[in-house]
Amino acid sequence: KAGVTQTPRYLIKTRGQQVTLSCSPISGHRSVSWYQQTPGQGLQFLFEYFSETQRNKGNFPGRFSGRQFSNSRSEMNVSTLELGDSALYLCASSDLKTGDANVLTFGAGSRLTVL
Amino acid sequence: GDSVTQMEGPVTLSEEAFLTINCTYTATGYPSLFWYVQYPGEGLQLLLKATKADDKGSNKGFEATYRKETTSFHLEKGSVQVSDSAVYFCALSDPGGDYKLSFGAGTTVTVRA
Repeated sequence: KAGVTQTPRYLIKTRGQQVTLSCSPISGHRSVSWYQQTPGQGLQFLFEYFSETQRNKGNFPGRFSGRQFSNSRSEMNVSTLELGDSALYLCASSDLKTGDANVLTFGAGSRLTVL
Repeated sequence: GDSVTQMEGPVTLSEEAFLTINCTYTATGYPSLFWYVQYPGEGLQLLLKATKADDKGSNKGFEATYRKETTSFHLEKGSVQVSDSAVYFCALSDPGGDYKLSFGAGTTVTVRA
């Protein structure tokens, strides 16, 4: 069974640009979450999607957005990039059927560097 | 809001030593508790979990017991190996349905041969 796949794994952008990150969840998982990991702030929740609906959003500015497609794949977008957006962005999926709704399986992450 | 506090690292141990990483939490309800591990260059992997008071989660020689009276979920391993070198995160989720995990700051563990 394939795991959570995130693309790209590494990318470099400059301030003011925008970026789109992609996440393919484990087959059959319908919940997808995104987290930002930085040395200073640790792991912070960005948003969670289920059946193409955003059910919760963390405390991030509107420059951070996301969406989920009908096949459960998800994308997140960051517009007008700032130096502080440099981070590892982690996607996680969850299988709500088993009752382990809170058990997240994480991808390897997309490491974004903003210059 | 919900929060997790875990002991700061880094922690450096010799092989076969005993490992404890303290974790305490603040939550309004009865959260589920987790330990995740992150190896260099990788995402997070679930190590163990507990969903109610007095539950003991265990995996790969690691154990943690959900202590409601002390709001704690300390991670222990009796004999660590070099391969246990990683960053360990304590986390909680609110069963009330906010669909997110709240993580501690992470503890870096290095095991020397």
